[in-house]
Amino acid sequence: DIQMTQSPSSLSASVGDRVTITCRASQDIRNDLEWYQQKPGKAPKRLIYAASSLQSGVPSRFSGSGSGTEFTLTISSLQPEDFATYYCLQHNSDWTFGQGTKVEIK
Amino acid sequence: EVQLVESGGGLVKPGGSLRLSCEASGFTVSNGWMSWVRQAPGKGLEWIGRIRAKIDGGTTDYAAPVKGRFTISRDDSQNTLYLQMNSLKTEDTAVYYCSYRPSWGQGTLVTVSS
Repeated sequence: DIQMTQSPSSLSASVGDRVTITCRASQDIRNDLEWYQQKPGKAPKRLIYAASSLQSGVPSRFSGSGSGTEFTLTISSLQPEDFATYYCLQHNSDWTFGQGTKVEIK
Repeated sequence: EVQLVESGGGLVKPGGSLRLSCEASGFTVSNGWMSWVRQAPGKGLEWIGRIRAKIDGGTTDYAAPVKGRFTISRDDSQNTLYLQMNSLKTEDTAVYYCSYRPSWGQGTLVTVSS
């Protein structure tokens, strides 16, 4: 089974800050990685697919990078509506989610 | 537009059974790979299993915690995905989502408690 290690588990940031979240896969998953945003009581929403492709309708301040085993989600300038929990998902072999990163207001 | 609507959640005793439904619109369930994902209260997302498209054999895969207890199936005439859950445990308490990437349903809550 492929394990996904996501860090940090939480972070505090201010509006306008640059935020980076990392996921590491236990084996090569090529670019079979997606990033999701989840707000309380809501279903996850896909932000990034194929590691670096922006989902239609998602603001360009979100970006993804990486391939193989190391992946990054970056929010270039944090907005009030971005305070949420973020998950990576590998779909190279079955699905595995990262543990999640809660982005909170500083 | 793809829409997924789950139903069938509720309160069930340990050892009991429950069947969840996921009614799809905007696409044909037999043509897609569909998954079930759950989220225990205050916890992260956990993949439960999937069913492949009919053209890819329609076979299923399951995560270890539910293998042998949960079964994923679909009814093409109803365009609906199902999750049959047997031998339920308290640790199965969660919101259950169906997904046809990138779309997700709104989730249905399953509570396993005596």
